[in-house]
This record gives sequence, structure tokens and C-alpha cells, in this order.
Amino acid sequence: GAGVSQSPSNKVTEKGKDVELRCDPISGHTALYWYRQSLGQGLEFLIYFQGNSAPDKSGLPSDRFSAERTGGSVSTLTIQRTQQEDSAVYLCASSLHYGYTFGSGTRLTVV
Amino acid sequence: GESVGLHLPTLSVQEGDNSIINCAYSNSASDYFIWYKQESGKGPQFIIDIRSNMDKRQGQRVTVLLNKTVKHLSLQIAATQPGDSAVYFCAEIGGSNDYKLSFGAGTTVTVRA
Repeated sequence: GAGVSQSPSNKVTEKGKDVELRCDPISGHTALYWYRQSLGQGLEFLIYFQGNSAPDKSGLPSDRFSAERTGGSVSTLTIQRTQQEDSAVYLCASSLHYGYTFGSGTRLTVV
Repeated sequence: GESVGLHLPTLSVQEGDNSIINCAYSNSASDYFIWYKQESGKGPQFIIDIRSNMDKRQGQRVTVLLNKTVKHLSLQIAATQPGDSAVYFCAEIGGSNDYKLSFGAGTTVTVRA
């Protein structure tokens, strides 16, 4: 596609439920990133995928968070047993070299 | 630890004036810097970038200055317009984080009519 597409744009979930957030990167971009942005804050790195290499998961805040990237394209970020502190905007970006392009994010609200 | 940060969280500018947004970074190994603009409800949008072998780069109405001696980065916006109202982030890459962008907390720019 022309840009990075994320879905859903908004998600409200009950505490304890699992959620899946989807990212569809720009076609041909080999690198894919997930960031989290809490209200009024900067972006916090979560996970990085590059081609067929093992992902860098060093930013995932707990083992409730996981992500996968299928076929080197679409990525899904899964949060299990959601907590209120997980409420944030989850942003995905893709790049070929240094030209990062961000999606509009998924606003997750845990109630 | 290594981090990127902005000097001021908010900046109010009169329409038509020039804006200067500052950023300090601590990783001397960083070799690539980017300024992003984020409007409400949207993801960060690339504005301009600069590599560490440069000290100035100009775009359309924007200029980025890099002072490696004091590890300082600035974004200048000429003739600020209402559409420039947004949160501005600087980000760095390089050194041990050679593929991860590290972001500061952002500066909220408000343009007064």
C-alpha cells in the first residue's frame, strides 16, 4: 500500500482480556518496528523485525507482550491479560533503509 | 544512560514568526538524526534528517542544525503557520542502537493567529 496501515484505529478492552493489533507495512520494506506512546510522552521502542533475522524483542515490557511477522509482511502485536497501564497508542513503522514511515497507530484503552 | 531529549515541552509562536525547537542528545556515537512532526491522532511524520558528517541541512521552510561538540540538535521553522501546530520529536540512531530510533519526549508547538 501507499502507507503503513494499522488496525483497529481504536480498541477498548476490559482488563484481563487479550488484544491483537495489526500492522500492514509498506510493500517492500524489510524492517518493521512497534513503538508505544503513552499520553503526552515520547515513543518507547517495543520490538524490531528485519527480514528473516530473529526479532529484537528487548523493548517488550513484559512476557504478556508478543509479536510476530508473517511472510515478512504483516505483523501482529498481541497483549495478553491486558492491564490498565497498557493503555497507550501503539505505533508501527516500516523502513527499507533509514526512511521510517509510521502508521497512525492503534489507541488502546483498557477499562 | 543514553537518551535524546528536548529542552522545552511547549513553545508558543506568533504566526509568521520563526520557530526554533531544541534537542539535546547524549549518545556521542549517534550518526543519524531525524525530526518528526506529530499531529493529534496521527503517527509521527518525517520532516527532515541529518547525518553526523553534516552540521546543517535545509528543507522547505525548515532547517536542521547539528552541533556535535555539545551534542545539540535544533529545528528551525521559517514563517510559522497554523498548520505547524503539532508535537515535534527529535530522534537519533546509531552507535549501539544502529537500527532503533530513540525519541525524546517532544515539544508541543502552538501557533497563535
